[in-house]
Amino acid sequence: DTAVSQTPKYLVTQMGNDKSIKCEQNLGHDTMYWYKQDSKKFLKIMFSYNNKELIINETVPNRFSPKSPDKAHLNLHINSLELGDSAVYFCASGRESGNTIYFGEGSWLTVV
Amino acid sequence: AQSVTQLDSHVSVSEGTPVLLRCNYSSSYSPSLFWYVQHPNKGLQLLLKYTSAATLVKGINGFEAEFKKSETSFHLTKPSAHMSDAAEYFCVVKDNQGGKLIFGQGTELSVKP
Repeated sequence: DTAVSQTPKYLVTQMGNDKSIKCEQNLGHDTMYWYKQDSKKFLKIMFSYNNKELIINETVPNRFSPKSPDKAHLNLHINSLELGDSAVYFCASGRESGNTIYFGEGSWLTVV
Repeated sequence: AQSVTQLDSHVSVSEGTPVLLRCNYSSSYSPSLFWYVQHPNKGLQLLLKYTSAATLVKGINGFEAEFKKSETSFHLTKPSAHMSDAAEYFCVVKDNQGGKLIFGQGTELSVKP
């Protein structure tokens, strides 16, 4: 059973397209996150949702819009993709009161 | 603001020899610290965590880390490296406001036969 699953794992798309990455967790956690890993492997948080409410938005361009239909899902929609959006996007989840955050396998996005 | 600094971007060891990956942290609070590992083209796996209990923390795959407040360090060690340990290792601190994780720059561990 995959605890945090995200799809697709690999995505190659052209500049200007709109794409979505989906994430689901079956751990019963109340908080979900999106992190971005750049080409130098540096990881930084993008968004955090707690019980479907946006908690953290780390100066991410408006072209990125997270959506949380319920506590178990946090999807990431990206409009008008740019070359610089090429990265690995990680979904994660945890408990607001807890200490451990679990990550998905990552989604490798390549914009050409 | 909280932060972590990984002192080496790349560490190379021979199989069977000890591993030391260094991490210093900066925090105004008693920090929650973690080490995550990322194998090539894989996700992030939690190795171990420190949350103000025992200062010597044991993790998976024979790794351990010691929290030293006086040195603001949380170095990761393993007595004997295995080829399968070759990966990218991240030292991480949890921000007390919002719960986000703040990652170090990563240390790439290479293991030579």
